[in-house]
Amino acid sequence: AQSVTQPDIHITVSEGASLELRCNYSYGATPYLFWYVQSPGQGLQLLLKYFSGDTLVQGIKGFEAEFKRSQSSFNLRKPSVHWSDAAEYFCAVGANGNKLVFGAGTILRVKS
Amino acid sequence: GAVVSQHPSRVICKSGTSVKIECRSLDFQATTMFWYRQFPKQSLMLMATSNEGSKATYEQGVEKDKFLINHASLTLSTLTVTSAHPEDSSFYICSVPSMGSGELFFGEGSRLTVL
Repeated sequence: AQSVTQPDIHITVSEGASLELRCNYSYGATPYLFWYVQSPGQGLQLLLKYFSGDTLVQGIKGFEAEFKRSQSSFNLRKPSVHWSDAAEYFCAVGANGNKLVFGAGTILRVKS
Repeated sequence: GAVVSQHPSRVICKSGTSVKIECRSLDFQATTMFWYRQFPKQSLMLMATSNEGSKATYEQGVEKDKFLINHASLTLSTLTVTSAHPEDSSFYICSVPSMGSGELFFGEGSRLTVL
């Protein structure tokens, strides 16, 4: 069965510091992987996605993620966090964008 | 601009009443739409797949008679929570798959509070 694990429920980083949010997945075939961001009371916005090809994926707002098949991971990174990045981040796995399975989410807090 | 629109964004109702939530695909036709539910401090869980021209497909544990889904057209799906109870209070989010890019576009969500 498909599953997504985001081990960190909360992460706090200082503004300007680097960020890495972890995501591990379990999927029977080649996965389609996504990272979404959700601000309080809002819907989800796609940050980036991986379908195939280059394993380092660039997204919006300066985010990137690296697909590592050997580790079943798709960690999200940003070199320098801004206060506006404070939100909840969801990793998701699916097939061709259908029926996505989401991780539990990681709440990012940014301290000034 | 928004690709998927949901209405209403917030709704408060009394226990026992029914509430309808609309999901519209603004930029393209969608034969399939997905309805997710998110309880406070939890992740999104797929409730059902809305299929234009046929019955919705419900995930295990989701009561189809309680959560009525109607895919009225290629751009509109509705979710009706019937005989709502306080435990139905949640954030309901619809999504539309993009056939070209393979990603899901999400609506803004509808927060339901049942008193």
